[in-house]
Amino acid sequence: EDKVVQSPLSLVVHEGDTVTLNCSYEVTNFRSLLWYKQEKKAPTFLFMLTSSGIEKKSGRLSSILDKKELSSILNITATQTGDSAIYLCAVSKSEGAQKLVFGQGTRLTINP
Amino acid sequence: DTEVTQTPKHLVMGMTNKKSLKCEQHMGHRAMYWYKQKAKKPPELMFVYSYEKLSINESVPSRFSPECPNSSLLNLHLHALQPEDSALYLCASSRAGIMISSYNEQFFGPGTRLTVL
Repeated sequence: EDKVVQSPLSLVVHEGDTVTLNCSYEVTNFRSLLWYKQEKKAPTFLFMLTSSGIEKKSGRLSSILDKKELSSILNITATQTGDSAIYLCAVSKSEGAQKLVFGQGTRLTINP
Repeated sequence: DTEVTQTPKHLVMGMTNKKSLKCEQHMGHRAMYWYKQKAKKPPELMFVYSYEKLSINESVPSRFSPECPNSSLLNLHLHALQPEDSALYLCASSRAGIMISSYNEQFFGPGTRLTVL
């Protein structure tokens, strides 16, 4: 059975801290790994990592895919209160239209 | 236009009602998805349409009936729902590619918050 596991499930830090969120996966026909940020409603897309693009960076956020360890990390440096959200990791499978398997999410709270 | 829109934003319905959720995108995406999300849980895939054809049905009860009238629109028809069907229903879209080189991220709409009384 396909499985995506995120850790920690919940994290509370102070503004300015650096955080690392983890995602490990066991799926058949792996295609790509995606990170989403979910605040009140819809998940918003952050990064997609594939075998040809294992490291991505955007501002204070960066992510790395370790295909050998079947895992990924999402780093956020100099955190701000606006980074408070649920961070979802999802893995897509090789099918005509992608099937995303989501992890449980990490609830990140940034205190001022 | 780089967004997915959903209507209505909120819906309250009784167990005998028939209602529909609508989703629209104008990004030229040919894959569209319905997800159900309960509180404090990740989204769960319900249906996938690829090139206007149903390609994945995740064993969803027949009281949920999807429809893809054209490449920009996706509907979810609801009938005789149960209170446990109350959830956030998310629509998403992506480019559809069968080649392994096609890496297609999904873009989500804001969701419809459904309450079944």
